[in-house]
Formats: sequence, structure tokens, C-alpha cells
Amino acid sequence: RKEVEQDPGPFNVPEGATVAFNCTYSNSASQSFFWYRQDCRKEPKLLMSVYSSGNEDGRFTAQLNRASQYISLLIRDSKLSDSATYLCVVNGNTGFQKLVFGTGTRLLVSP
Amino acid sequence: NAGVTQTPKFQVLKTGQSMTLQCAQDMNHEYMSWYRQDPGMGLRLIHYSVGAGITDQGEVPNGYNVSRSTTEDFPLRLLSAAPSQTSVYFCASSRGAGGYNEQFFGPGTRLTVL
Repeated sequence: RKEVEQDPGPFNVPEGATVAFNCTYSNSASQSFFWYRQDCRKEPKLLMSVYSSGNEDGRFTAQLNRASQYISLLIRDSKLSDSATYLCVVNGNTGFQKLVFGTGTRLLVSP
Repeated sequence: NAGVTQTPKFQVLKTGQSMTLQCAQDMNHEYMSWYRQDPGMGLRLIHYSVGAGITDQGEVPNGYNVSRSTTEDFPLRLLSAAPSQTSVYFCASSRGAGGYNEQFFGPGTRLTVL
């Protein structure tokens, strides 16, 4: 089983739609969680951290479910510019940032 | 600030050749790392450094060397290139460790080994 698993997609949605991605992780000792965004042929960039209580940043909402070991990302009112690959990133045990990256979920927003 | 810079952007090597991928950051970050990204695999950690003079191996270190003589620079050396090293390489830096800090990535180097 992969340490971090994501549905590769693509998720094809029209502008204005709401879309949600899930990501499951296998290490119950994981302490921190992130969503990164990666545009085609570009470097990943931090979209948002995921906190235990859930957090929101504009149209984006992230949730953490420790009991079921998954995190989610909800995008409301999708824009064309949201088209990208969304990487789920999980920190493993202590020590250096043993970050584990998911393979990403591709989102395509169409007019 | 330029952030994290990488050179070259593209490189084609023949099997057995060696080369160095350059990475520099101007944010005074202590932590730097090298990842490779392959289709269907996600980013995988090659080597990392927690400060000048300190380096350690990541998940896939074989065939690569690193050094960290200054805070700013973290070059990655391919000793004898192999087709399996065809990949996109990203350098990243962060203010702190422990996975709590934002990773800042460079634009990547696309390497093809023939």
C-alpha cells in the first residue's frame, strides 16, 4: 500500500462547480498535512496546510479525518485558473521533514 | 528575492556521463533538499541538508552525490548517468524541518539520459 494515495483523475468540471478530492495516508503517526498545487511543467507550490480543526482559505476548504486517515480538499466556484494537479503531502515521523508526496489529482475546469 | 533557482532547465546526457545540477536559494533557509518526479510516482526525496556541511540520504540516493559548503548552494551530482535517471529534478528549501514548514521549490531541471 502506498503511504499516500490519491485518485489521479482527471476531474473534469465546469466553471462554477464545486469539486472535492480525497487523499488517504497510511502512517497513523503523521503529524502535518498539506495540499500543494502543481501547474503543468511547473514546480509545486503550497496551496494550504491542513489543520486538525479544518481550515478555509477563500474558495478552498481543507479537512483532516485522523480516525479514517484521510484529508480532503474542497474547491467551490471553480475557476479556469484552478486547472492544475493537486498534490497531497503528509509528514511522517519526527526528524527531518520526511514528506511523502501523493502522485496528485488532476483537475480540469472547462468554460 | 529570486527564491530557489536551478540550472540548467534542460539537459540531455549519454549513459555514463557525469554532470552537476545547480541549486541556489537567497532566503537564508537552513534546509534544502533534492527530489525527483517521475510519472505515476510522486516526488521522491534524493538527498537533503539541514545546514551547511550537513547532508543525508533520502529515499532514492543511489547514483547521486551532494555537498553543502554554503547555506545558499546545494548542488546535485550525477556520477555516471543511467537511463533510469531520466526525470524532472526539483530542488527545494524551507525555513525549518519537521515537515511543518512550507517547501519552496525551484523551477526544475528536465534531464534525459540516452
